[in-house]
Amino acid sequence: GESVGLHLPTLSVQEGDNSIINCAYSNSASDYFIWYKQESGKGPQFIIDIRSNMDKRQGQRVTVLLNKTVKHLSLQIAATQPGDSAVYFCAEKTNQGGKLIFGQGTELSVKP
Amino acid sequence: EAGVAQSPRYKIIEKRQSVAFWCNPISGHATLYWYQQILGQGPKLLIQFQNNGVVDDSQLPKDRFSAERLKGVDSTLKIQPAKLEDSAVYLCASSAGSIGNTIYFGEGSWLTVV
Repeated sequence: GESVGLHLPTLSVQEGDNSIINCAYSNSASDYFIWYKQESGKGPQFIIDIRSNMDKRQGQRVTVLLNKTVKHLSLQIAATQPGDSAVYFCAEKTNQGGKLIFGQGTELSVKP
Repeated sequence: EAGVAQSPRYKIIEKRQSVAFWCNPISGHATLYWYQQILGQGPKLLIQFQNNGVVDDSQLPKDRFSAERLKGVDSTLKIQPAKLEDSAVYLCASSAGSIGNTIYFGEGSWLTVV
């Protein structure tokens, strides 16, 4: 069936470095993709999204890249801070009914 | 703007007992979702409402799970009888529409079945 998965379960970076979190998806018909951040004990928090007709989108300290050729999505976090430590999920939104399909998640750990 | 409200935050029950979770979505949001998140995994959609109608309940275990959104605002998710494997976080989320609108999540209701 359809699935959205992540390449790495954990990522450890030094404070101030840039972080790159990767995601692979399987449904080429999806309308768009979203990155969520989930801190311990909290619900997923929207970070940034990108539509399937775009390759790149930038937010505050975050950039999402979409490569439809290889069905790959990435989240780049500039100047990573301790507050960025969390589990990051990519999610795929279908173009029928808005159903979100989540991947397993990548745990980002920021070392001071 | 108030976020998605859920209660209770934490619940511990014995297997075969019943439990109910309540959700109040963001004001004006027509679409409401219930997700189940097992520890270490991404959330999995259980049911999606558009106003008070069900859009998708294909992954809801209907023999034990039920959900309703009678007036198109608040929603209740019930589990009866609970099994050990139902231990998870139950996340409620809402959005203004379906396609193209950001989905906002509540803090979740943490269920432990012993």
